[in-house]
Amino acid sequence: DGGITQSPKYLFRKEGQNVTLSCEQNLNHDAMYWYRQDPGQGLRLIYYSQIVNDFQKGDIAEGYSVSREKKESFPLTVTSAQKNPTAFYLCASSMRWGTSDEQYFGPGTRLTVT
Amino acid sequence: EDQVTQSPEALRLQEGESSSLNCSYTVSGLRGLFWYRQDPGKGPEFLFTLYSAGEEKEKERLKATLTKKESFLHITAPKPEDSATYLCAVQGAAGNKLTFGGGTRVLVKP
Repeated sequence: DGGITQSPKYLFRKEGQNVTLSCEQNLNHDAMYWYRQDPGQGLRLIYYSQIVNDFQKGDIAEGYSVSREKKESFPLTVTSAQKNPTAFYLCASSMRWGTSDEQYFGPGTRLTVT
Repeated sequence: EDQVTQSPEALRLQEGESSSLNCSYTVSGLRGLFWYRQDPGKGPEFLFTLYSAGEEKEKERLKATLTKKESFLHITAPKPEDSATYLCAVQGAAGNKLTFGGGTRVLVKP
């Protein structure tokens, strides 16, 4: 079955620690995205990647970093510089950049930082 | 800057009671308006893409329509399994970026 996997489903970290969230897709999609969702709010774009070895900042990139070394993988690191990291993180992909292809989402990772 | 506002924030329906959700938007050069369904603790599930005013799309009890300023998601004779949060997003002329609304939480009681 083709799809997007995110791991882990739940993640707990102490304040001051960096943490990396995994996102893998086997849809052969060029474009990948990371969003953050907070209760009662819409999804906000953190980073996106048009193609392998390329990525761009979204609307709320401060305190986050990404890499895109393989087409299938787009991991997100939440650094200690992110002031309010507790949230639900969603990874998505779409077939190509620059089109109106729909984005498909993974199941999400809920990060709690205490 | 693209903006999306969804109303109402929450909707409680009796099973079989039809209703509509609203998505008002401002965008420079609409390339697509997207509807998603999200169950608690899960990722959004794609429902529809609408591209131009006057377009309509249907899937089971759901029907999405589009005008130049807003989109409606009509739920006809809803069932409890239609309970979810429905998200609306727009894509403007600048690339693939989606701007999401805050969503409408729908609860359908038997």
